[in-house]
Amino acid sequence: GDSVTQMEGPVTLSEEAFLTINCTYTATGYPSLFWYVQYPGEGLQLLLKATKADDKGSNKGFEATYRKETTSFHLEKGSVQVSDSAVYFCALAPLTSGATNKLIFGTGTLLAVQP
Amino acid sequence: DAEITQSPRHKITETGRQVTLACHQTWNHNNMFWYRQDLGHGLRLIHYSYGVQDTNKGEVSDGYSVSRSNTEDLPLTLESAASSQTSVYFCASSEGGSGSYEQYFGPGTRLTVT
Repeated sequence: GDSVTQMEGPVTLSEEAFLTINCTYTATGYPSLFWYVQYPGEGLQLLLKATKADDKGSNKGFEATYRKETTSFHLEKGSVQVSDSAVYFCALAPLTSGATNKLIFGTGTLLAVQP
Repeated sequence: DAEITQSPRHKITETGRQVTLACHQTWNHNNMFWYRQDLGHGLRLIHYSYGVQDTNKGEVSDGYSVSRSNTEDLPLTLESAASSQTSVYFCASSEGGSGSYEQYFGPGTRLTVT
């Protein structure tokens, strides 16, 4: 079945460091891909998305490119801030999701940014 | 502003008790979802609904039930709470229709079963 694999955390970085959080997927066809972020004590919120191969999603300085050949959707940011400390979830919408909009989530990666 | 709320935010209950967690959205979304979040498992889908009177089982539905009597609410019931159901529960909603996959999440309910 369809699945998402994320790198294990926690990821600990100093402020202004470069961030990469790896995400790979297994799915039939070309699903839509997402990154959600969960700040402490809150629910998840959509960070960015890509709906077809080679699309780049971007928001708040974060980027991710839909790579069909490597079935990956890695999250990157050039210079992290303390306020980026959160749990990041990679997710996909299977082609069979249709009108139900079901998503499959990875296990999440905790990012801790130190001043 | 439209929102999705959950109540209570924290709940402690005893093994064997019935518990109901509330979820209310004012987005007028067709689709609603319940997830549980556990360390090492990420989010796992419990139940979902894509309209009034419609409910469907997710991957971890045993011991849980939902009902959808209106567009705004999807309460989650634990029929007989077990310690394995200690978790953080999130409700989410989405508009419905292919191509609109963004889900809007509530703030979560932390449930402890003793």
